[in-house]
Amino acid sequence: GNSVTQMEGPVTLSEEAFLTINCTYTATGYPSLFWYVQYPGEGLQLLLKATKADDKGSNKGFEATYRKETTSFHLEKGSVQVSDSAVYFCALTYSGGGADGLTFGKGTHLIIQP
Amino acid sequence: DGGITQSPKYLFRKEGQNVTLSCEQNLNHDAMYWYRQDPGQGLRLIYYSQIVNDFQKGDIAEGYSVSREKKESFPLTVTSAQKNPTAFYLCASNIQHYSNQPQHFGDGTRLSIL
Repeated sequence: GNSVTQMEGPVTLSEEAFLTINCTYTATGYPSLFWYVQYPGEGLQLLLKATKADDKGSNKGFEATYRKETTSFHLEKGSVQVSDSAVYFCALTYSGGGADGLTFGKGTHLIIQP
Repeated sequence: DGGITQSPKYLFRKEGQNVTLSCEQNLNHDAMYWYRQDPGQGLRLIYYSQIVNDFQKGDIAEGYSVSREKKESFPLTVTSAQKNPTAFYLCASNIQHYSNQPQHFGDGTRLSIL
């Protein structure tokens, strides 16, 4: 079946540091890939997405590139802010059938210190 | 604005009591989902519905029930058979179940035991 593996947290960085959160996946066919962000006490918000190989999703300074050869979708940001502190989820969906909606990673808790 | 509304935001359950969590969407989406999130954990799928009057069990359906009588509404009942109901519950929707588009999420309901 499909699966998503994320680096475990918490990840603690200083403000303006470079961020990478690793995400790798296992899936049949050609899934679409997503990063969601969850702020404390809230639901999940879509951060960015990529629907085919070599696509780069970007939003709010975050980027991730769909790498089919390494089955990865790592999240990066060049300079993090305290307001980026949240839990980040990597997820995939496969429109070819046989999957029950989204498959999520376990989430990575990011803490940015001033 | 279109979106998903979950209510209540906080809910308390007594022993032996059934409680119902509301989820309403005005996005005209066919597919709707319920997830459970435990502290420090990812999301686990409880139930999903691809279309009105249809629903399927997810990974952890025991102790829960759902209905889908209207396209806009997908209520979740946590029954007394669910022995560990304390968690954060998230409702989501998508234009279709087999889609390469991301799911939209509500803000969640936090359920606790009295």
